[in-house]
Amino acid sequence: SAVISQKPSRDICQRGTSLTIQCQVDSQVTMMFWYRQQPGQSLTLIATANQGSEATYESGFVIDKFPISRPNLTFSTLTVSNMSPEDSSIYLCSAGTSGREQYFGPGTRLTVT
Amino acid sequence: QQPVQSPQAVILREGEDAVINCSSSKALYSVHWYRQKHGEAPVFLMILLKGGEQKGHDKISASFNEKKQQSSLYLTASQLSYSGTYFCGTEIAGTSYDKVIFGPGTSLSVIP
Repeated sequence: SAVISQKPSRDICQRGTSLTIQCQVDSQVTMMFWYRQQPGQSLTLIATANQGSEATYESGFVIDKFPISRPNLTFSTLTVSNMSPEDSSIYLCSAGTSGREQYFGPGTRLTVT
Repeated sequence: QQPVQSPQAVILREGEDAVINCSSSKALYSVHWYRQKHGEAPVFLMILLKGGEQKGHDKISASFNEKKQQSSLYLTASQLSYSGTYFCGTEIAGTSYDKVIFGPGTSLSVIP
């Protein structure tokens, strides 16, 4: 298993600004993922964070809006850029282990005003 | 590409059994099951990697029918702690990395 921490846990941001969310894993993992979840909804995959190369983005998500870094096997960041109220959501990172299961961080609750 | 889950919601009394189904229109490499309680992160329950595989986890078990592209999660003798939203996640066969697409979720409430 893996223990994931995220910060900040929540933030309230103004329209047009950017927020960087940090994700730290307690052990080295091959795969790290970023998801978005609206309250009461499913998890939507934003991108796979690849160590040493550009992230792989899902349809509807672009690097200019959600730049991701993965400098090593235990850490990743997601930036939500030029925010609008539609970006208000819970952002979760997860780590994929060698057994393919995923372990999730506690999430970052973002409100954009 | 998102898997379909049924039922959307279910209410059980303690001790009753429930089945949650997950189906995909694509050939699958694996099926994951997670439970999420309100305000918390999803928690991994189990993964099924082979067609026909069944796994057990205390009184929660699951099966995977690779041919039918379906999986079912079985909760027996339900406890209050089983309440939450259950998500299946599917890995499509032939994709190059461990990408999981989650279903819409099944809300399960266990009442005394």
